[in-house]
Amino acid sequence: KNQVEQSPQSLIILEGKNCTLQCNYTVSPFSNLRWYKQDTGRGPVSLTIMTFSENTKSNGRYTATLDADTKQSSLHITASQLSDSASYICVVEYGNKLVFGAGTILRVKS
Amino acid sequence: DAMVIQNPRYQVTQFGKPVTLSCSQTLNHNVMYWYQQKSSQAPKLLFHYYDKDFNNEADTPDNFQSRRPNTSFCFLDIRSPGLGDAAMYLCATSRPGGLSSEQFFGPGTRLTVL
Repeated sequence: KNQVEQSPQSLIILEGKNCTLQCNYTVSPFSNLRWYKQDTGRGPVSLTIMTFSENTKSNGRYTATLDADTKQSSLHITASQLSDSASYICVVEYGNKLVFGAGTILRVKS
Repeated sequence: DAMVIQNPRYQVTQFGKPVTLSCSQTLNHNVMYWYQQKSSQAPKLLFHYYDKDFNNEADTPDNFQSRRPNTSFCFLDIRSPGLGDAAMYLCATSRPGGLSSEQFFGPGTRLTVL
């Protein structure tokens, strides 16, 4: 069964600290993996997209890694800001469809 | 700026009263999607259009219908909303195939059913 699991479910960190969010997937065949940021009450916004041949992709303070052998990805946020508080969703594409993880809710406190 | 626009942002309807949600795009993308997202859950695909071809997900209730009169617009019709249909409804667009098939999401319409 095609599934995407994310951990932790929620996370609270202090402003300025780093954090890492995890994503494990069983989707096959795999096209690409994306990380989205979804602010409360808004639509998801793409942060990174990686094919199976890419190991890492950065977008400012966001760095995503992918291990296609172990089917794991992580999203590392450096020097967190209050505006990073959101849900982070890992999404795996196969064909023209997406399998969504349930997301990790991140709260950055001052 | 090219974008995906959803109207209204908030919709309140009564139990059983039909409602239509609207999505428009200026990206000229072939594919348009409708997702339902309930609180603290992942978005769930309801259906998508590839140009004029309609593709319904197997578990999408008959209560949900869609129309795509042209490339730019797509509508979600809920014929008889129930309390369980209260959710955020997200529209997304993409070009078909490969990396270019990244989906761009609208801001969503939050539906409340009284």
